[in-house]
Amino acid sequence: QVQLVESGGGLVKPGGSLRLSCAVSEFNLSDYYMSWIRQAPGKGLEWISYISSSGRTIFYADSVKGRFTISRDNAKNSLYLQMNSLRVEDTAVYYCARDPRRWVSGLYYSLFDFWGQGTLVTVSS
Amino acid sequence: DIQMTQSPSSLSASVGDRVTITCRASQSISRYVNWYQQKPGKAPKLLIYAASSLQSGVPSRFSGSGSGTDFTLTISSLQPEDFATYYCQQSSSTLTFGGGTKVEIK
Repeated sequence: QVQLVESGGGLVKPGGSLRLSCAVSEFNLSDYYMSWIRQAPGKGLEWISYISSSGRTIFYADSVKGRFTISRDNAKNSLYLQMNSLRVEDTAVYYCARDPRRWVSGLYYSLFDFWGQGTLVTVSS
Repeated sequence: DIQMTQSPSSLSASVGDRVTITCRASQSISRYVNWYQQKPGKAPKLLIYAASSLQSGVPSRFSGSGSGTDFTLTISSLQPEDFATYYCQQSSSTLTFGGGTKVEIK
């Protein structure tokens, strides 16, 4: 069945860097938009970035723009998030999620139909 | 950015109750709303997309409605496995989530 598995989380000091990976299986990554979404401890969900199926279109939330970089390697069935200049407020569980861009009544709708289990990033001195 | 305001932030209900959660967008977003369920320590699960389309495999007691700025998720008869936190999410522009509604056992 469809699987997304994040890795690369851990403890890092403020100002440090981490690279998250999301390995996918049982579907063709090149057919899908993908996003990273995070959840701070005890808080709600925050979308932070998406990348189109080809990789040519990328968007970021203002909270991470200029510090985080999303990328993908369709041949390796993997999605990445390079996180630089990390701040305490970046502490969260980071999820990758698949966006099938579903066609409904003549329009495309963005939605997240499969998610990984999440990887915890802790930014602390 | 479009703000999504969910209400209530929490509610207590009993098994068999009809439960309604609302989400209001800060501007009109047509039907670009999805609903997710999240249980503690788990990833969110898609329930409803495009305001009212039921995701495959989701029980029919879940339904969504609305368009423009006001949206509703309804659980027609609450089951024990439905106690969770629910989030709305808009995809009309830069993606944003509502603050969540925690459904607890009365």
